[in-house]
Amino acid sequence: GEDVEQSLFLSVREGDSSVINCTYTDSSSTYLYWYKQEPGAGLQLLTYIFSNMDMKQDQRLTVLLNKKDKHLSLRIADTQTGDSAIYFCAESLTGGGNKLTFGTGTQLKVEL
Amino acid sequence: GAGVSQSPSNKVTEKGKDVELRCDPISGHTALYWYRQSLGQGLEFLIYFQGNSAPDKSGLPSDRFSAERTGGSVSTLTIQRTQQEDSAVYLCASSTGSGGARGYTFGSGTRLTVV
Repeated sequence: GEDVEQSLFLSVREGDSSVINCTYTDSSSTYLYWYKQEPGAGLQLLTYIFSNMDMKQDQRLTVLLNKKDKHLSLRIADTQTGDSAIYFCAESLTGGGNKLTFGTGTQLKVEL
Repeated sequence: GAGVSQSPSNKVTEKGKDVELRCDPISGHTALYWYRQSLGQGLEFLIYFQGNSAPDKSGLPSDRFSAERTGGSVSTLTIQRTQQEDSAVYLCASSTGSGGARGYTFGSGTRLTVV
């Protein structure tokens, strides 16, 4: 199946780390992605990880992939108010063409 | 163009009317996708065009929905006899067609409200 699930809300204080989690069911994923959606805007690609990797770091962002548990996470270090947005994980599947399956999105709220 | 352009950005229509939503992808991108985002929901795949291949229409929710892509560039999503449950943000995205690390580039969406 192609279910991708995320928790709906996360609230953190400015300066803390945020961890957004995602679980998926299809083991034939090739790439997994994190997108950010700010109010009234489309989705912006933040980062991605290839399925044979365990971790990827990009400045304040760290992506962890546990293929055994089909679990993907995005850690944002030193979270800022500008990080407040909806974060979507997505997967592309072997043999699925370039179609991405998206999670339900996690709304991150950063409080002062 | 520099990005994916969608028009109109907002559309209010009466129940039962037909609407057309337009997407202008990034020049040179061979793949084009339509998704729907309803309030509090994730992104629902609608349809996918890749080059000259037959489109993947597996996500279209009913036969009131159709899409075409002329000349491998601009795409139009048409919803006939709109219903209130069609109210959503319709997002278009394009990619190079090889997918992978570059993912998609999304437009800002068309917010459709059916009254």
